[in-house]
Amino acid sequence: EAGVVQSPRYKIIEKKQPVAFWCNPISGHNTLYWYLQNLGQGPELLIRYENEEAVDDSQLPKDRFSAERLKGVDSTLKIQPAELGDSAVYLCASSLGGSAQETQYFGPGTRLLVL
Amino acid sequence: RKEVEQDPGPFNVPEGATVAFNCTYSNSASQSFFWYRQDCRKEPKLLMSVYSSGNEDGRFTAQLNRASQYISLLIRDSKLSDSATYLCVVNPFTGGGNKLTFGTGTQLKVEL
Repeated sequence: EAGVVQSPRYKIIEKKQPVAFWCNPISGHNTLYWYLQNLGQGPELLIRYENEEAVDDSQLPKDRFSAERLKGVDSTLKIQPAELGDSAVYLCASSLGGSAQETQYFGPGTRLLVL
Repeated sequence: RKEVEQDPGPFNVPEGATVAFNCTYSNSASQSFFWYRQDCRKEPKLLMSVYSSGNEDGRFTAQLNRASQYISLLIRDSKLSDSATYLCVVNPFTGGGNKLTFGTGTQLKVEL
């Protein structure tokens, strides 16, 4: 069974440029998460989707970050404009949804470097 | 105070040693608890869930103390392949949804 797919795996851009990340969750998983992970830190939640609805975006910096999950399947996360401090790994995860004990499955992440 | 606190390490241990990691969390209403493992430059993967009664999976034992808001992971007979970062994870499950909160991770290096 295919896992969570993310692309691109690596991205280098100059500051002030836009960038977009794509995620395809495990088939049948209703819940999708975007996390940001800085070096030496644990992942931090940016946004959580239940199907196509963003149910928790309290940690998403809305002045420059946006996300969408059209049709409740794959999702994109966009940064516009990117800043130097946005350099990090952006992880997408998915889960079936609904249970406190359920496992979240992570994709390989997109490593972003802003120059 | 961070919601989930861990000693970042690194813990350098010889092969075959027993090593223990601890973690504390601040939200007393948290409902579920996990240990995730993250290899260098890879994504986190679930190692095991943690229950109040304690649970064991082979060489790994996890314990939860709700009164002290403390979680532990014990690894017996360490292998070279156990070298990784171990992330303590807490889920308050508020508003009917999952919101995993990760610690910074504890780095383990198992040496010959």
